[in-house]
Amino acid sequence: TQLLEQSPQFLSIQEGENLTVYCNSSSVFSSLQWYRQEPGEGPVLLVTVVTGGEVKKLKRLTFQFGDARKDSSLHITAAQPGDTGLYLCAGSGGYQKVTFGTGTKLQVIP
Amino acid sequence: DTEVTQTPKHLVMGMTNKKSLKCEQHMGHRAMYWYKQKAKKPPELMFVYSYEKLSINESVPSRFSPECPNSSLLNLHLHALQPEDSALYLCASSQEGGTGSILGGYEQYFGPGTRLTVT
Repeated sequence: TQLLEQSPQFLSIQEGENLTVYCNSSSVFSSLQWYRQEPGEGPVLLVTVVTGGEVKKLKRLTFQFGDARKDSSLHITAAQPGDTGLYLCAGSGGYQKVTFGTGTKLQVIP
Repeated sequence: DTEVTQTPKHLVMGMTNKKSLKCEQHMGHRAMYWYKQKAKKPPELMFVYSYEKLSINESVPSRFSPECPNSSLLNLHLHALQPEDSALYLCASSQEGGTGSILGGYEQYFGPGTRLTVT
């Protein structure tokens, strides 16, 4: 069974601060996605990383895939209240099945 | 168009009722998924349809019955549910419906969900 552990589980920060969310596994994934979900809504895809060591930037968000493709991180610079939500990583290891991480609930206080 | 639509948005049903959840996508995706999500938890996979055929059933109780009438539509028929089945039910679709030969092909696009309450 593939497991993806995210840390921290909860994060409450002031507007303008930086933060990093980690997604770790003992399994290798062929690709990994990051999603953000707001209460009562479906997850929204932010990015997909597929190559070990890959770094992708999306405005103030920086995503990195580990060299061994077992872990990933999401760094947010100068967090805004609009960044508030549940952040989920999800790994694809094979036939269709996607493993979701345990989730990180982020609150950015104005 | 990267939209997945789900109806209804909210559903309240009794334990003896029969109801259906509907999901639709027009992105030409060949895989469609049903997930169940409890509050503050990640989505839990229930079913996967690939090229309109059921390919994964995660040991879901038979009171949940999926159906894929065509490549754009996915239904979830509900019967004799229990209060513990109350949750957000999410539909998703992805490009890849086969064996994962497309890198990144499992990017999933989610609908807004149906908030189900069983009384």
